[in-house]
Amino acid sequence: GAGVSQSPSNKVTEKGKDVELRCDPISGHTALYWYRQSLGQGLEFLIYFQGNSAPDKSGLPSDRFSAERTGGSVSTLTIQRTQQEDSAVYLCASSSTGSTDTQYFGPGTRLTVL
Amino acid sequence: QKEVEQDPGPLSVPEGAIVSLNCTYSNSAFQYFMWYRQYSRKGPELLMYTYSSGNKEDGRFTAQVDKSSKYISLFIRDSQPSDSATYLCAMSDTGRRALTFGSGTRLQVQP
Repeated sequence: GAGVSQSPSNKVTEKGKDVELRCDPISGHTALYWYRQSLGQGLEFLIYFQGNSAPDKSGLPSDRFSAERTGGSVSTLTIQRTQQEDSAVYLCASSSTGSTDTQYFGPGTRLTVL
Repeated sequence: QKEVEQDPGPLSVPEGAIVSLNCTYSNSAFQYFMWYRQYSRKGPELLMYTYSSGNKEDGRFTAQVDKSSKYISLFIRDSQPSDSATYLCAMSDTGRRALTFGSGTRLQVQP
């Protein structure tokens, strides 16, 4: 079956612009995660959605970052007023229940802020 | 200090060598330990998943967890050029679903 998909694969934007990144999780997976991977760094947790529960936003680095998950499926990560330090690969993952289940990752969106 | 420490490498070995990758961590609440492999410009893919202490073997890969030392390892036997990638350790506790990752070790297997 289809894995996690993300779009766009690459995004170049100017400092100060807003960007939206999209994630389509594996069908039937109730848990969805966003991570950020900066050059040469490990993955940094951003936000976690599980079913209809309130999301865990504890990893969002500033109030310029927000995310939504509509209908328990597709998620959008929005970064407002982008800064150069926001340049990174943004990875989405999903898992079947969100407990200790395996997280399956998408290919990521490479964001470059000029 | 980071919660999870991992030598970034690069680690270069000849084909057929045994590779040892490891991570140390500081949070004693971590119970679940994973190793992910990430090829260039791809998302991470899960290699090994271990709960608590002990060993787990899958083909050429063996994962070891020593909770008393807060140390985990991944061994790759008979390494192949196709194993060239970045290896990320990851871990979580029972209360938090998000994974805490090491920074990754870049492995190069020379043919």
